[in-house]
Amino acid sequence: AQTVTQSQPEMSVQEAETVTLSCTYDTSESDYYLFWYKQPPSRQMILVIRQEAYKQQNATENRFSVNFQKAAKSFSLKISDSQLGDAAMYFCAYRRAQKLVFGQGTRLTINP
Amino acid sequence: DAEITQSPRHKITETGRQVTLACHQTWNHNNMFWYRQDLGHGLRLIHYSYGVQDTNKGEVSDGYSVSRSNTEDLPLTLESAASSQTSVYFCASSAGLAGYEQYFGPGTRLTVT
Repeated sequence: AQTVTQSQPEMSVQEAETVTLSCTYDTSESDYYLFWYKQPPSRQMILVIRQEAYKQQNATENRFSVNFQKAAKSFSLKISDSQLGDAAMYFCAYRRAQKLVFGQGTRLTINP
Repeated sequence: DAEITQSPRHKITETGRQVTLACHQTWNHNNMFWYRQDLGHGLRLIHYSYGVQDTNKGEVSDGYSVSRSNTEDLPLTLESAASSQTSVYFCASSAGLAGYEQYFGPGTRLTVT
């Protein structure tokens, strides 16, 4: 069974600094997708970034980038120039076909 | 704009009652999903549907049922609510599988007393 682990229940960072959220997953598949979702206090789930496992190049979306290490089954999210609006729960998720499996989440606090 | 809505946003019910949570999407997506979110577990898949008349069990389906009579709606029913079903419930939809983005509704907070 696929599992996703986020080992950091909480993280904090100073505004304008860089922070990295960790995620590891377990799978025997070679073709899959990985996602980071953001959940602000409004509870809305917002897609931050997506990575296809067959692509070696790390995905980037503006201030958000990932470090995808397929052999190590690691998928970390780097947030550069952190902003107050980045404060939220962040969930890593694995998907193959219909099944989307989430990690337990990391609560990110931004200190002004 | 297309959207996905859930109702009610908050619900309090008593143990043993039947409860139905509504999910409606205007994306015209074939694929719809129900998740529950609990502290320490992230989101877990309850049921999902690939299209009209299609329903499938997810990871935590016991005590829940769904039906899909049209493309837009996937209601989630708790046949006999239990305190263990107190949670936040999210509905989602996607145009395809695998790498397609799932769009989430705003969630329903259900409390079973």
